Amino acid sequence: GDSVTQMEGPVTLSEEAFLTINCTYTATGYPSLFWYVQYPGEGLQLLLKATKADDKGSNKGFEATYRKETTSFHLEKGSVQVSDSAVYFCALNTGFQKLVFGTGTRLLVSP
Amino acid sequence: EAGVAQSPRYKIIEKRQSVAFWCNPISGHATLYWYQQILGQGPKLLIQFQNNGVVDDSQLPKDRFSAERLKGVDSTLKIQPAKLEDSAVYLCASSFHSNQPQHFGDGTRLSIL
Repeated sequence: GDSVTQMEGPVTLSEEAFLTINCTYTATGYPSLFWYVQYPGEGLQLLLKATKADDKGSNKGFEATYRKETTSFHLEKGSVQVSDSAVYFCALNTGFQKLVFGTGTRLLVSP
Repeated sequence: EAGVAQSPRYKIIEKRQSVAFWCNPISGHATLYWYQQILGQGPKLLIQFQNNGVVDDSQLPKDRFSAERLKGVDSTLKIQPAKLEDSAVYLCASSFHSNQPQHFGDGTRLSIL
């Protein structure tokens, strides 16, 4: 079945460091891909999305490119801030509009 | 725009007791979802409604879980009787249509003693 694999956390960085969180997927068909962010005690917020191969989603300095050849959707940010500390979930949406999530990656940014 | 509202925020019960969660989606959103998020895992879809009809409940443990969305607006999720493994955060989400992004509530954290 469809699945998403994320790198295990926590990812610990200093402020202004470069961030990469790896995400790969397995799916039949051509899924849409998403990154969601979850701050402590809150629900998930959509961070960015891409709906077809080679699309780049971007928001708040975060970027991810839909790579069909490597079935990947890695999240990147050039300079992280303390306020970016959260759990990040990669997800895919198949033609049945069902979201399948990865296990999440916790990011901790220190001043 | 008001977000997805859920209540209660926290609930502690003993195993074999019953519990119910409530969700009020964003106004005008036809599609409503209930997810279960166990600690350290990603959310897992339990049930999806389109208006007041069930679209997908393939992962809902129907022997103990039930959900309804009367009048196609608010929804309740019930667990009866609860088991220890039901300890999780229960998230409600809604979208204008099933092919639109989902908006999540803050969830209900359920602890089973």
